[in-house]
Amino acid sequence: TAGITQAPTSQILAAGRSMTLRCTQDMRHNAMYWYRQDLGLGLRLIHYSNTAGTTGKGEVPDGYSVSRANTDDFPLTLASAVPSQTSVYFCASSDGGGQGGNEQFFGPGTRLTVL
Amino acid sequence: GQNIDQPTEMTATEGAIVQINCTYQTSGFNGLFWYQQHAGEAPTFLSYNVLDGLEEKGRFSSFLSRSKGYSYLLLKELQMKDSASYLCAGMDSNYQLIWGAGTKLIIKP
Repeated sequence: TAGITQAPTSQILAAGRSMTLRCTQDMRHNAMYWYRQDLGLGLRLIHYSNTAGTTGKGEVPDGYSVSRANTDDFPLTLASAVPSQTSVYFCASSDGGGQGGNEQFFGPGTRLTVL
Repeated sequence: GQNIDQPTEMTATEGAIVQINCTYQTSGFNGLFWYQQHAGEAPTFLSYNVLDGLEEKGRFSSFLSRSKGYSYLLLKELQMKDSASYLCAGMDSNYQLIWGAGTKLIIKP
């Protein structure tokens, strides 16, 4: 099985433009997450979804939006990109709504540069 | 506030043992995770502790002391492929992971 896929692998985006980062999982996991990873900082949660049809804000949600129309897909949209959104973005999923010791499985990441 | 502290970088020799420490402060506590991340790749799960004590899994072991807010990851018989960053993450009362910045482990021959 593919696990979690993300697209694109990398992207250079002009400031002010919008973009959607795609994430798809085939493990039928209830919970999905979007993180950003910046040098010298830990992974920071942007948005999450405990189950299809629901979403929640993480630590750094400003400038980002998500939707969870079905179990498999969890796209992340930047409505108007700014240079501070330059980062590596990881999508992850876990079973059981994230509770207990359920590990999170990560996609390969999207490297985004905003100029 | 919530915080995870771990050393930025450590160096060890192939075949040796290394211990990576992590201290945590979370709002509530639902366990402590360790992940491995090779450069340019995604994090992958190594271990989970929710009770005090040592969990052993092959060459890797993880320890937790809830009273001290402390965990460590022990890697034995180090191999060159163990060169990676090791991420400590605490799960808070909302079942969200709070991540440390990671410890970059450099293995020398």
